Amino acid sequence: DGGITQSPKYLFRKEGQNVTLSCEQNLNHDAMYWYRQDPGQGLRLIYYSQIVNDFQKGDIAEGYSVSREKKESFPLTVTSAQKNPTAFYLCASSTPGGREQYFGPGTRLTVT
Amino acid sequence: GENVEQHPSTLSVQEGDSAVIKCTYSDSASNYFPWYKQELGKRPQLIIDIRSNVGEKKDQRIAVTLNKTAKHFSLHITETQPEDSAVYFCAASNNAGKSTFGDGTTLTVKP
Repeated sequence: DGGITQSPKYLFRKEGQNVTLSCEQNLNHDAMYWYRQDPGQGLRLIYYSQIVNDFQKGDIAEGYSVSREKKESFPLTVTSAQKNPTAFYLCASSTPGGREQYFGPGTRLTVT
Repeated sequence: GENVEQHPSTLSVQEGDSAVIKCTYSDSASNYFPWYKQELGKRPQLIIDIRSNVGEKKDQRIAVTLNKTAKHFSLHITETQPEDSAVYFCAASNNAGKSTFGDGTTLTVKP
């Protein structure tokens, strides 16, 4: 299961605080993705990046921000503007073209 | 944008029976259709995939079929085993690298 890591596994924050979730991969993949998973729902795409220094909004980008300064890293910031941030966040990477995606273990964020 | 619908949301079968999960998609530009299995508390993992130039693909007890005209694809699991119990997600992907996932099917295989 190695190759793509997320930290921390559990994260607790107070409402109104920004929080950054880490995602690192050593698979030499160009593409990286952030998804949000809520109970009973599928994976919803937040942001994705096909190449360093470039990224695109997914279906639910509002209240989130990302950066892609290095090929190996794609951190996600959950801002205070995100109305319902409590969720399970999954990072993934893939070879060019967005084919098979390799997922990290996820970060469960709880905001109270 | 792409919309993927997945049915059923829950499926319970007896060990040894077959299970079928169906997905439909809306964007004709989608050309890659993977299926992921997510066991409780674990990350999703690819179990099989199919590209738009192929109608069917099989890997041991698992098979996927694709009907491009009708824009639907299905996962077939034969001779189900208790360890097949998990949540299964379908997805549709285009050349821009964007993937859209279905809402998932919780499969329970009763021994």
